[in-house]
Amino acid sequence: RKEVEQDPGPFNVPEGATVAFNCTYSNSASQSFFWYRQDCRKEPKLLMSVYSSGNEDGRFTAQLNRASQYISLLIRDSKLSDSATYLCVVNIFSGGYNKLIFGAGTRLAVHP
Amino acid sequence: GAVVSQHPSWVICKSGTSVKIECRSLDFQATTMFWYRQFPKQSLMLMATSNEGSKATYEQGVEKDKFLINHASLTLSTLTVTSAHPEDSSFYICSASPLGRLATETQYFGPGTRLLVL
Repeated sequence: RKEVEQDPGPFNVPEGATVAFNCTYSNSASQSFFWYRQDCRKEPKLLMSVYSSGNEDGRFTAQLNRASQYISLLIRDSKLSDSATYLCVVNIFSGGYNKLIFGAGTRLAVHP
Repeated sequence: GAVVSQHPSWVICKSGTSVKIECRSLDFQATTMFWYRQFPKQSLMLMATSNEGSKATYEQGVEKDKFLINHASLTLSTLTVTSAHPEDSSFYICSASPLGRLATETQYFGPGTRLLVL
């Protein structure tokens, strides 16, 4: 089983749509959680951290359910510029140090 | 601020040659740098964690004699792919964690290096 699992998509949505991505992680000792965005052939960029209380940044809302080991990202009022791959990332402590574990990503394509 | 550069951005080489990739933190000092590899349509996989002045810690399944990492200063880490073969063709990305920050909580990624081995 992969440590971080995501639906690969693609999600094809029109501009203005609301879209939700889900992610599950297997290591219950995971300490912190993030969503990254990766554009084609580019490096990943941090979108937002994810907290148990839920957090919002503009059109983006992230939720964490530790009991279910489930993370979500909601994007409202999608823009063309939101087209990218969204990576669910978990920080775990393993082998004596912290490291980031990346999901394979969910691809989003926003069309006019 | 917090810019990480990688050089080269892409490289094509013949099978059997060695390739060195540099990762630099341009405007901050980094005690810890990370090297990742990403194959098409797959996730970034951590290869190794490198701390300035000490040996790198490699992930399971990553051959340390094939992927040599040197973190000689607080602003530079290098990854050398020795005797590269076509299966080593991938997107190699480094990240750096600023001095004084909790490593992995704050990582700044380089733009990546595309390696194609013929």
